[in-house]
Amino acid sequence: GDSVTQMEGPVTLSEEAFLTINCTYTATGYPSLFWYVQYPGEGLQLLLKATKADDKGSNKGFEATYRKETTSFHLEKGSVQVSDSAVYFCALLAGGGADGLTFGKGTHLIIQP
Amino acid sequence: DAGVIQSPRHEVTEMGQEVTLRCKPISGHNSLFWYRQTMMRGLELLIYFNNNVPIDDSGMPEDRFSAKMPNASFSTLKIQPSEPRDSAVYFCASGDGSTNEKLFFGSGTQLSVL
Repeated sequence: GDSVTQMEGPVTLSEEAFLTINCTYTATGYPSLFWYVQYPGEGLQLLLKATKADDKGSNKGFEATYRKETTSFHLEKGSVQVSDSAVYFCALLAGGGADGLTFGKGTHLIIQP
Repeated sequence: DAGVIQSPRHEVTEMGQEVTLRCKPISGHNSLFWYRQTMMRGLELLIYFNNNVPIDDSGMPEDRFSAKMPNASFSTLKIQPSEPRDSAVYFCASGDGSTNEKLFFGSGTQLSVL
């Protein structure tokens, strides 16, 4: 079945550091790919998405590129802030979307001032 | 719109008791999902509904868990009897059933079974 694998956390960085959170997927067909973010005490919210190969999703300084050849969708940000501290979930949507999203286990990001 | 509303926000109960979690999806959304989040397993899909009909409940852990959606604006997740291993955060999410690309999550119910 479909699955998403992302790097284990927590990931701890200093403010203004470069961020990469790795995500790879397994799916039949050509899924859409997503990053969701969960701030403390809140539900998940969509951060960015890409619907086909080589697409780049971006939002709030975060970027991720859909790489079909490596089945990856790594999340990057050039300069992180303390307010970026959260749990980040990689997800995919396959089969026309009828079955909903498949999420990775999440990566806890901690940014220290 | 107030977003997806879940209640209660926190629930503490004793083993063996019945627990009912509630969810009000965003008006106009016709897909509703129940997820469970734990440190060990991450985010697990328990069950989802489309147009109030359960489509896939294969993620429901066992017969102690049941979910209903009597109308488009309300859903419940019930655990009877509850066990300590059910302690987790339970999220409800709703989406536009045509694509389900963007899900809107509630703030979750933190369940502690003692």
